[in-house]
Amino acid sequence: EAQVTQNPRYLITVTGKKLTVTCSQNMNHEYMSWYRQDPGLGLRQIYYSMNVEVTDKGDVPEGYKVSRKEKRNFPLILESPSPNQTSLYFCASSQGRRYEQYFGPGTRLTVT
Amino acid sequence: DQQVKQNSPSLSVQEGRISILNCDYTNSMFDYFLWYKKYPAEGPTFLISISSIKDKNEDGRFTVFLNKSAKHLSLHIVPSQPGDSAVYFCAARVLGNTGKLIFGQGTTLQVKP
Repeated sequence: EAQVTQNPRYLITVTGKKLTVTCSQNMNHEYMSWYRQDPGLGLRQIYYSMNVEVTDKGDVPEGYKVSRKEKRNFPLILESPSPNQTSLYFCASSQGRRYEQYFGPGTRLTVT
Repeated sequence: DQQVKQNSPSLSVQEGRISILNCDYTNSMFDYFLWYKKYPAEGPTFLISISSIKDKNEDGRFTVFLNKSAKHLSLHIVPSQPGDSAVYFCAARVLGNTGKLIFGQGTTLQVKP
């Protein structure tokens, strides 16, 4: 089954404790992206990657890191999480920049 | 500054009637507009899109209209079904090489049986 998977689905952590949210797609897609969804703001792009070893900032990159060492994986790293990073996070992938994006199920992160 | 706006947080319609979801944008540098549908505890799923050079695109019960002069697009669902109850996001793809999408805030549609 073609899909985008994210782990974990739910995470509660404390300020400053490094964490990684994994994202994997099995569709051989070139393009991958991370978004966060907050009430009243819709989805905002954090980082995107157009191919292996090619990443760039989205609209809200502060406090996040990403890497794209393999085509299928695009982990999101929070080196020192803060409460304002409490949000619902989505990973997405597409065949290329011109195609519709497929979203993972989301990761709900709470930072206390 | 919200470049893509969905000014109605919620909409309620009767089963069988038309649902009209609206979206406004402020930037002309978009080449595609898309609608995504989201159920609780799931990621958004692609519904329908329209190129900025078109004014209408239809797919089954779903039609998207684009009015470039008004910088406005709308999604029509006819007839509405209870299974259409979800949050609908409009999104605009930024012209250029990034594939970047700008999303609206979302509209929650409730279709009553």
